[in-house]
Amino acid sequence: DQQVKQNSPSLSVQEGRISILNCDYTNSMFDYFLWYKKYPAEGPTFLISISSIKDKNEDGRFTVFLNKSAKHLSLHIVPSQPGDSAVYFCAASAGTGNQFYFGTGTSLTVIP
Amino acid sequence: DVKVTQSSRYLVKRTGEKVFLECVQDMDHENMFWYRQDPGLGLRLIYFSYDVKMKEKGDIPEGYSVSREKKERFSLILESASTNQTSMYLCASSLRRMTGLSYEQYFGPGTRLTVT
Repeated sequence: DQQVKQNSPSLSVQEGRISILNCDYTNSMFDYFLWYKKYPAEGPTFLISISSIKDKNEDGRFTVFLNKSAKHLSLHIVPSQPGDSAVYFCAASAGTGNQFYFGTGTSLTVIP
Repeated sequence: DVKVTQSSRYLVKRTGEKVFLECVQDMDHENMFWYRQDPGLGLRLIYFSYDVKMKEKGDIPEGYSVSREKKERFSLILESASTNQTSMYLCASSLRRMTGLSYEQYFGPGTRLTVT
């Protein structure tokens, strides 16, 4: 049973506009959330994270929002650039557990 | 600069062969993980290890085994490769998570395994 879900397999955005990638989770014990970016034929690279004690974390063009009551997080990329075209995975972990649970990914295409 | 390396980028094996995938990390991380990535299914955890000689089954351990004899090295073994094990295999490592602190996983470049 998928505990972390990314319901949009793909997203296309014009360069310079905002990209919003969404992620939902079912396990209320999750308290740490991450976003990874993956280019073809490469391993995922860490992008940004957020702890459940916060509702927003920002790093340059990337902002992650967490809505605990809705069990929902989102990644905003502003402004979007062609180099942002990749697959984005959200992931979550709980307590001191060492396992991360990944979503199925959203393929972002930024159109020049 | 943190690094996770995997022994092969591309591998082609025949059905029934025993396959070894090796992963090495140089960050002194306690945790190591093996995932497979398939279209539409995301990253699925096969096995992970939180210490030398320790292992835990992930979501899809069937048909796989692992070995961790040294802290820096984590091997994935396909005892008898089958065509449904054709996939991208990703190794990752992380520090052990402690209360109040969190750590991300660092991934290797992946091994694209084709079983014919």
